[in-house]
Amino acid sequence: EDQVTQSPEALRLQEGESSSLNCSYTVSGLRGLFWYRQDPGKGPEFLFTLYSAGEEKEKERLKATLTKKESFLHITAPKPEDSATYLCAVRNYGGATNKLIFGTGTLLAVQP
Amino acid sequence: EPEVTQTPSHQVTQMGQEVILRCVPISNHLYFYWYRQILGQKVEFLVSFYNNEISEKSEIFDDQFSVERPDGSNFTLKIRSTKLEDSAMYFCASSGTVPEQPQHFGDGTRLSIL
Repeated sequence: EDQVTQSPEALRLQEGESSSLNCSYTVSGLRGLFWYRQDPGKGPEFLFTLYSAGEEKEKERLKATLTKKESFLHITAPKPEDSATYLCAVRNYGGATNKLIFGTGTLLAVQP
Repeated sequence: EPEVTQTPSHQVTQMGQEVILRCVPISNHLYFYWYRQILGQKVEFLVSFYNNEISEKSEIFDDQFSVERPDGSNFTLKIRSTKLEDSAMYFCASSGTVPEQPQHFGDGTRLSIL
């Protein structure tokens, strides 16, 4: 069964304190790993897509990396406005499916 | 920047009633989706829609649910005979001209069944 596990469930950082969020996945064949940011009461906001092991994507203070079993979202020198829930999702090679399978997310709080 | 728009933002309905949740996907997108998120749980897939027909549905998406693209801009989710356990955030998403493009989500409709 396809599965996505994110850790930690919650993370509290001081402003400027860099860290990483983890997303472990089990899929029959990966056809994309996606990172989203979700603010309270809002929908997931697309951040990155990664397709193959070794691939990296960057946006401002965020960098996403991918291996054959997991992805990391590195946050460098975070600011309070980076506080949000970060969701990881995968899409697999099952027939014509485009559905995303989500993890439960990591709730990030950055304190000034 | 183009965005997915959902209405209403909050819907309160008596158990057993029918509700229609509305979505306006990004204008040049061809693939449309509904997901839901029960409070404190994962975002879970309900249905995908392409070329005016359902391309995939989850086991959650039973005969109680239906989707429709009534015109060139709207995409709706209808839930008949609502149950207490249908209470959740319902998100609409769309993706571009090929399915590999990322899915962009609306801000959701919070459905509360009383």
